[in-house]
Amino acid sequence: DSGVTQTPKHLITATGQRVTLRCSPRSGDLSVYWYQQSLDQGLQFLIQYYNGEERAKGNILERFSAQQFPDLHSELNLSSLELGDSALYFCASSVTGTNNYGYTFGSGTRLTVV
Amino acid sequence: AQTVTQSQPEMSVQEAETVTLSCTYDTSENNYYLFWYKQPPSRQMILVIRQEAYKQQNATENRFSVNFQKAAKSFSLKISDSQLGDTAMYFCAFSGGSNYKLTFGKGTLLTVNP
Repeated sequence: DSGVTQTPKHLITATGQRVTLRCSPRSGDLSVYWYQQSLDQGLQFLIQYYNGEERAKGNILERFSAQQFPDLHSELNLSSLELGDSALYFCASSVTGTNNYGYTFGSGTRLTVV
Repeated sequence: AQTVTQSQPEMSVQEAETVTLSCTYDTSENNYYLFWYKQPPSRQMILVIRQEAYKQQNATENRFSVNFQKAAKSFSLKISDSQLGDTAMYFCAFSGGSNYKLTFGKGTLLTVNP
């Protein structure tokens, strides 16, 4: 157990629907990162939050949004889902807003859009 | 923009033997960090080893060591005494500049055969 908790582990939903992925960072970590892993794109950085505030954005679609709550857990919202959104979504956390020591990853949420 | 290239999509090795996975990167940054992550069939992303660019000494973690050639922008991973549990996808990753995100290579699938 890495200490980073992601729920649910699996999610199957239809095109056009909206889902929410949840992440609880490791105790003491202030920063949360979201990544998408797909066969064709590999691991892509989506967004980072640090202590409740958005710190950086990567290749995140406008249909996707995220937030970090006062208790530091984070949610990634995916809407108007398309078949191409099927992927493994990882959350990771770190103590600071930098990545000098590497992240701690959660076990991921497997999203299947049918 | 930084890029990370892993030129070996798949590799195999016999148990107890040594294997080296290759990684090259491109960056204009002078201060950065390099990582190797392991993703076994469980999908969990596990940090294997970390290298700071300003340190000339190659990092070592038990059976895992790196050969960091800064001028050549090369960062290879050597696994000694390979074990069946080393079977996994291995990702090389780069963090530099703003230090908020990891840029991953496409990965090398390593299979350790008995």
